[in-house]
Amino acid sequence: ETGVTQTPRHLVMGMTNKKSLKCEQHLGHNAMYWYKQSAKKPLELMFVYSLEERVENNSVPSRFSPECPNSSHLFLHLHTLQPEDSALYLCASSQDDGSLEQFFGPGTRLTVL
Amino acid sequence: GEDVEQSLFLSVREGDSSVINCTYTDSSSTYLYWYKQEPGAGLQLLTYIFSNMDMKQDQRLTVLLNKKDKHLSLRIADTQTGDSAIYFCAERTNDYKLSFGAGTTVTVRA
Repeated sequence: ETGVTQTPRHLVMGMTNKKSLKCEQHLGHNAMYWYKQSAKKPLELMFVYSLEERVENNSVPSRFSPECPNSSHLFLHLHTLQPEDSALYLCASSQDDGSLEQFFGPGTRLTVL
Repeated sequence: GEDVEQSLFLSVREGDSSVINCTYTDSSSTYLYWYKQEPGAGLQLLTYIFSNMDMKQDQRLTVLLNKKDKHLSLRIADTQTGDSAIYFCAERTNDYKLSFGAGTTVTVRA
């Protein structure tokens, strides 16, 4: 139990659906991250938020839309996804965006049909 | 570049030592990390090493860093079935960005 929770744990959606992934951290951290984990590929950093401001958008398609309403919550809004977007989406947090350690949630396994 | 490479699979007998290797390309890396991912779980930080060190030991874990060759290894002594997992090597090259390898799946057989 790392103090970072993600819901849902599994999600199946069609290409025309709109869904959202939720991440919550109970650690009092100021920075939060979204990563994409595809099988046998390196983790890809998608977005970084520091003090609720986006500080990194790593060339992510606009069909992924992040939202950070406060320092404890991070959302990833999904719309018009493609089958190749199927992956494990991991949320992480750290004390600040320069901290040495990031704490990861268990991930949401997303399948796009 | 920021490529981090590691072999995809490792099979080891219970009680033996495991050695997981990783190479990276960015010479400005400040910290290098090993993360462990168990089935159905997120990544858990195992250990990290500052780039001016060449070795770090923590109980059954030994990290070796060869900065000249940009090579990092993780040795797990007396490997147990609970060590079966995916192990990720990562390098930190600026204030917050981690570049990860694809992960090495370690299978411990009886």
